[in-house]
Amino acid sequence: EADIYQTPRYLVIGTGKKITLECSQTMGHDKMYWYQQDPGMELHLIHYSYGVNSTEKGDLSSESTVSRIRTEHFPLTLESARPSHTSQYLCASTIPDSFGEKLFFGSGTQLSVL
Amino acid sequence: KQEVTQIPAALSVPEGENLVLNCSFTDSAIYNLQWFRQDPGKGLTSLLLIQSSQREQTSGRLNASLDKSSGRSTLYIAASQPGDSATYLCAVYYGGSQGNLIFGKGTKLSVKP
Repeated sequence: EADIYQTPRYLVIGTGKKITLECSQTMGHDKMYWYQQDPGMELHLIHYSYGVNSTEKGDLSSESTVSRIRTEHFPLTLESARPSHTSQYLCASTIPDSFGEKLFFGSGTQLSVL
Repeated sequence: KQEVTQIPAALSVPEGENLVLNCSFTDSAIYNLQWFRQDPGKGLTSLLLIQSSQREQTSGRLNASLDKSSGRSTLYIAASQPGDSATYLCAVYYGGSQGNLIFGKGTKLSVKP
Protein backbone atom coordinates (compact mmCIF):
# COMPACT_ATOMS: atom_id res chain seq x y z
CA GLU A 1 0.00 0.00 0.00
CA ALA A 2 1.03 3.60 -0.56
CA ASP A 3 0.65 6.48 1.87
CA ILE A 4 0.16 9.73 0.02
CA TYR A 5 -0.43 12.91 1.98
CA GLN A 6 -2.06 16.00 0.60
CA THR A 7 -2.37 19.36 2.35
CA PRO A 8 -4.45 21.32 2.83
CA ARG A 9 -7.65 19.23 2.65
CA TYR A 10 -9.75 22.33 1.98
CA LEU A 11 -8.69 25.79 0.77
CA VAL A 12 -10.78 28.89 0.11
CA ILE A 13 -8.92 31.82 -1.41
CA GLY A 14 -9.52 34.98 -3.38
CA THR A 15 -8.90 35.52 -7.07
CA GLY A 16 -5.34 36.37 -8.03
CA LYS A 17 -3.63 34.64 -5.12
CA LYS A 18 -0.67 32.35 -5.61
CA ILE A 19 -1.18 28.94 -4.01
CA THR A 20 0.77 25.73 -3.62
CA LEU A 21 -0.89 22.38 -3.03
CA GLU A 22 1.36 19.94 -1.23
CA CYS A 23 1.74 16.24 -1.96
CA SER A 24 4.19 13.87 -0.35
CA GLN A 25 4.75 10.13 -0.14
CA THR A 26 7.09 8.14 2.04
CA MET A 27 7.31 4.98 -0.05
CA GLY A 28 10.06 6.10 -2.42
CA HIS A 29 7.84 5.85 -5.52
CA ASP A 30 9.36 7.41 -8.60
CA LYS A 31 6.15 8.04 -10.53
CA MET A 32 3.77 10.71 -9.23
CA TYR A 33 0.76 12.48 -10.75
CA TRP A 34 -1.66 15.38 -10.29
CA TYR A 35 -5.27 15.01 -11.40
CA GLN A 36 -8.16 17.47 -11.39
CA GLN A 37 -11.70 16.27 -10.82
CA ASP A 38 -14.99 18.18 -10.96
CA PRO A 39 -18.10 16.66 -9.30
CA GLY A 40 -19.51 13.77 -11.31
CA MET A 41 -16.84 14.09 -13.96
CA GLU A 42 -13.83 12.08 -15.04
CA LEU A 43 -10.31 12.78 -13.80
CA HIS A 44 -8.04 14.89 -15.98
CA LEU A 45 -4.26 14.65 -15.81
CA ILE A 46 -2.55 17.96 -14.99
CA HIS A 47 1.11 17.01 -14.53
CA TYR A 48 3.20 13.93 -13.90
CA SER A 49 6.74 13.04 -12.94
CA TYR A 50 8.79 9.90 -13.43
CA GLY A 51 11.45 10.89 -10.91
CA VAL A 52 13.58 13.69 -9.50
CA ASN A 53 13.95 16.62 -11.92
CA SER A 54 11.46 15.00 -14.31
CA THR A 55 8.12 16.73 -14.97
CA GLU A 56 5.67 16.40 -17.84
CA LYS A 57 2.47 18.24 -18.74
CA GLY A 58 -0.90 16.56 -18.98
CA ASP A 59 -4.16 17.75 -20.48
CA LEU A 60 -4.86 20.73 -18.21
CA SER A 61 -1.40 21.94 -17.31
CA SER A 62 -1.29 25.39 -18.90
CA GLU A 63 -2.19 27.34 -15.76
CA SER A 64 -0.12 25.48 -13.19
CA THR A 65 3.42 24.32 -12.55
CA VAL A 66 5.03 21.49 -10.60
CA SER A 67 8.48 20.65 -9.31
CA ARG A 68 10.17 17.41 -8.27
CA ILE A 69 13.30 18.27 -6.33
CA ARG A 70 12.94 15.34 -3.94
CA THR A 71 11.46 11.91 -4.63
CA GLU A 72 8.93 12.20 -1.83
CA HIS A 73 7.63 15.69 -2.63
CA PHE A 74 5.57 16.82 -5.66
CA PRO A 75 3.95 20.25 -5.09
CA LEU A 76 1.52 21.90 -7.52
CA THR A 77 1.50 25.71 -7.85
CA LEU A 78 -1.14 28.03 -9.28
CA GLU A 79 0.48 31.41 -9.92
CA SER A 80 -2.79 33.34 -10.04
CA ALA A 81 -5.90 31.54 -8.89
CA ARG A 82 -9.18 32.08 -10.74
CA PRO A 83 -12.75 30.90 -10.02
CA SER A 84 -12.36 28.42 -12.91
CA HIS A 85 -9.70 26.66 -10.80
CA THR A 86 -12.34 25.66 -8.25
CA SER A 87 -12.14 21.87 -8.21
CA GLN A 88 -10.76 18.86 -6.38
CA TYR A 89 -7.07 18.17 -6.90
CA LEU A 90 -5.84 14.62 -6.45
CA CYS A 91 -2.24 13.50 -6.13
CA ALA A 92 -1.27 9.91 -6.93
CA SER A 93 1.68 7.59 -7.31
CA THR A 94 2.09 4.17 -8.89
CA ILE A 95 3.70 0.97 -7.76
CA PRO A 96 4.33 -2.11 -9.87
CA ASP A 97 1.72 -4.82 -9.49
CA SER A 98 1.70 -8.35 -10.86
CA PHE A 99 -0.63 -7.14 -13.61
CA GLY A 100 0.70 -3.66 -14.31
CA GLU A 101 1.11 -0.46 -12.34
CA LYS A 102 -1.45 0.26 -9.68
CA LEU A 103 -2.46 3.85 -8.93
CA PHE A 104 -2.71 5.04 -5.33
CA PHE A 105 -4.32 8.35 -4.47
CA GLY A 106 -4.18 10.87 -1.66
CA SER A 107 -7.37 12.20 -0.06
CA GLY A 108 -7.36 15.30 -2.26
CA THR A 109 -7.46 19.07 -1.83
CA GLN A 110 -10.81 20.76 -2.38
CA LEU A 111 -10.04 24.24 -3.71
CA SER A 112 -12.55 27.08 -3.88
CA VAL A 113 -11.54 30.34 -5.54
CA LEU A 114 -13.87 33.26 -4.85
CA LYS B 1 -10.83 9.66 -29.66
CA GLN B 2 -10.48 7.15 -26.84
CA GLU B 3 -13.45 7.32 -24.48
CA VAL B 4 -14.55 5.39 -21.42
CA THR B 5 -18.26 5.26 -20.59
CA GLN B 6 -19.94 4.04 -17.44
CA ILE B 7 -23.65 3.35 -17.42
CA PRO B 8 -25.73 3.91 -15.36
CA ALA B 9 -24.49 7.12 -13.77
CA ALA B 10 -26.30 6.18 -10.56
CA LEU B 11 -27.73 2.98 -9.12
CA SER B 12 -29.73 2.28 -5.97
CA VAL B 13 -30.24 -1.27 -4.69
CA PRO B 14 -31.45 -2.93 -1.48
CA GLU B 15 -28.91 -4.55 0.78
CA GLY B 16 -28.01 -8.12 -0.10
CA GLU B 17 -28.47 -7.83 -3.85
CA ASN B 18 -25.83 -8.94 -6.31
CA LEU B 19 -25.12 -6.20 -8.81
CA VAL B 20 -23.12 -5.43 -11.95
CA LEU B 21 -21.48 -2.16 -12.90
CA ASN B 22 -20.56 -1.58 -16.52
CA CYS B 23 -17.61 0.07 -18.23
CA SER B 24 -17.20 0.35 -21.99
CA PHE B 25 -14.28 1.71 -24.01
CA THR B 26 -14.06 2.74 -27.65
CA ASP B 27 -10.52 1.53 -28.43
CA SER B 28 -9.94 -2.15 -27.67
CA ALA B 29 -6.12 -1.91 -27.85
CA ILE B 30 -5.82 -1.56 -24.09
CA TYR B 31 -2.85 -2.38 -21.89
CA ASN B 32 -4.83 -2.80 -18.67
CA LEU B 33 -8.00 -1.71 -16.91
CA GLN B 34 -8.42 -0.68 -13.31
CA TRP B 35 -11.51 -0.33 -11.12
CA PHE B 36 -11.56 2.23 -8.33
CA ARG B 37 -13.84 3.18 -5.47
CA GLN B 38 -14.28 6.82 -4.43
CA ASP B 39 -16.00 7.94 -1.26
CA PRO B 40 -17.45 11.49 -1.13
CA GLY B 41 -14.78 14.16 -0.95
CA LYS B 42 -11.99 11.60 -0.93
CA GLY B 43 -9.39 10.19 -3.27
CA LEU B 44 -9.70 6.95 -5.21
CA THR B 45 -8.96 3.49 -3.83
CA SER B 46 -7.78 0.86 -6.28
CA LEU B 47 -9.97 -2.26 -6.20
CA LEU B 48 -8.85 -4.46 -9.08
CA LEU B 49 -6.35 -4.26 -11.93
CA ILE B 50 -6.79 -6.48 -15.02
CA GLN B 51 -4.18 -6.91 -17.70
CA SER B 52 -5.29 -7.04 -21.32
CA SER B 53 -4.44 -10.75 -21.50
CA GLN B 54 -6.68 -11.62 -18.55
CA ARG B 55 -10.39 -12.35 -18.51
CA GLU B 56 -11.14 -11.62 -14.86
CA GLN B 57 -9.81 -10.72 -11.43
CA THR B 58 -11.36 -11.42 -8.04
CA SER B 59 -10.97 -9.84 -4.63
CA GLY B 60 -13.34 -10.89 -1.89
CA ARG B 61 -16.91 -10.07 -2.96
CA LEU B 62 -15.67 -8.25 -6.06
CA ASN B 63 -15.13 -9.78 -9.46
CA ALA B 64 -14.04 -7.79 -12.50
CA SER B 65 -14.25 -9.21 -16.00
CA LEU B 66 -12.72 -7.95 -19.22
CA ASP B 67 -13.84 -8.55 -22.81
CA LYS B 68 -11.43 -6.64 -25.00
CA SER B 69 -13.04 -7.59 -28.29
CA SER B 70 -16.36 -6.04 -27.30
CA GLY B 71 -14.75 -3.13 -25.42
CA ARG B 72 -16.36 -3.95 -22.09
CA SER B 73 -15.58 -4.60 -18.48
CA THR B 74 -17.95 -5.38 -15.65
CA LEU B 75 -17.54 -5.14 -11.89
CA TYR B 76 -19.66 -7.68 -10.06
CA ILE B 77 -20.41 -7.04 -6.37
CA ALA B 78 -21.86 -9.97 -4.47
CA ALA B 79 -24.19 -9.62 -1.49
CA SER B 80 -24.06 -5.82 -1.45
CA GLN B 81 -23.81 -3.96 1.87
CA PRO B 82 -24.50 -0.33 2.84
CA GLY B 83 -20.74 0.11 3.23
CA ASP B 84 -20.38 -0.52 -0.50
CA SER B 85 -22.11 2.82 -1.18
CA ALA B 86 -19.64 4.93 -3.12
CA THR B 87 -18.79 5.98 -6.67
CA TYR B 88 -17.07 3.31 -8.74
CA LEU B 89 -14.79 4.41 -11.57
CA CYS B 90 -13.00 2.45 -14.22
CA ALA B 91 -9.85 3.61 -15.95
CA VAL B 92 -8.37 2.20 -19.14
CA TYR B 93 -4.64 2.40 -19.81
CA TYR B 94 -3.37 2.30 -23.39
CA GLY B 95 0.34 2.17 -22.58
CA GLY B 96 3.05 4.75 -23.12
CA SER B 97 2.67 8.03 -21.28
CA GLN B 98 0.38 8.57 -18.29
CA GLY B 99 -1.80 10.69 -20.53
CA ASN B 100 -3.03 7.47 -22.06
CA LEU B 101 -4.88 6.54 -18.86
CA ILE B 102 -8.52 7.41 -19.54
CA PHE B 103 -11.09 7.57 -16.72
CA GLY B 104 -14.83 7.11 -16.89
CA LYS B 105 -17.17 9.42 -14.99
CA GLY B 106 -18.17 6.69 -12.58
CA THR B 107 -21.32 5.00 -11.32
CA LYS B 108 -22.66 6.28 -8.01
CA LEU B 109 -23.89 3.28 -6.03
CA SER B 110 -26.27 3.51 -3.10
CA VAL B 111 -27.03 0.35 -1.10
CA LYS B 112 -30.09 0.78 1.10
CA PRO B 113 -30.31 -1.12 4.42
